[in-house]
Amino acid sequence: AQSVTQPDIHITVSEGASLELRCNYSYGATPYLFWYVQSPGQGLQLLLKYFSGDTLVQGIKGFEAEFKRSQSSFNLRKPSVHWSDAAEYFCAVGITGGGNKLTFGTGTQLKVEL
Amino acid sequence: EAQVTQNPRYLITVTGKKLTVTCSQNMNHEYMSWYRQDPGLGLRQIYYSMNVEVTDKGDVPEGYKVSRKEKRNFPLILESPSPNQTSLYFCASSSTRPGADTQYFGPGTRLTVL
Repeated sequence: AQSVTQPDIHITVSEGASLELRCNYSYGATPYLFWYVQSPGQGLQLLLKYFSGDTLVQGIKGFEAEFKRSQSSFNLRKPSVHWSDAAEYFCAVGITGGGNKLTFGTGTQLKVEL
Repeated sequence: EAQVTQNPRYLITVTGKKLTVTCSQNMNHEYMSWYRQDPGLGLRQIYYSMNVEVTDKGDVPEGYKVSRKEKRNFPLILESPSPNQTSLYFCASSSTRPGADTQYFGPGTRLTVL
């Protein structure tokens, strides 16, 4: 069965600093990979997704992620964090066989210090 | 505006009192899903629907029912709620398979069962 691990429960960065959120997945086939962001009191919004092709994908709000098959990773990055980026971030792997679902990681809570 | 709406946003109820959380989308999406979000567990799929009158279980379907009589609506029914169903619930829709497509999430329903 597929699974997603986000090893960092909480991360604190200073505004203007770079950010990397880690995500490792376990899935037997080529995965569909997603990053979603959840702002306080809001639903989830898609940041970016990877299906195939270029392993470096660009998303909204200046985020990017790199798919590394050899490491089973899909880490999210941003070169300069803004205070408005404080939120919870979820990595997810999609399956399209029996189940048709996303399997989410447990999330990383990002705090931005001014 | 393209959106997924859920009602109510907040609900406090007592054990055993049947309740329904409504979900509606205006994007003509085929697929709809329900998730629950619990601290430290991320989001877990409860049920999903591939089209009208077609539903299937997700990872945690026990204690829940769904129906899909119209394409735009996908209500979640708790026939006899219990305290372990206290959670934050999200409805989501997508134009194709949830595992391979962007999911659009509603704002969430925070349910407390006493």
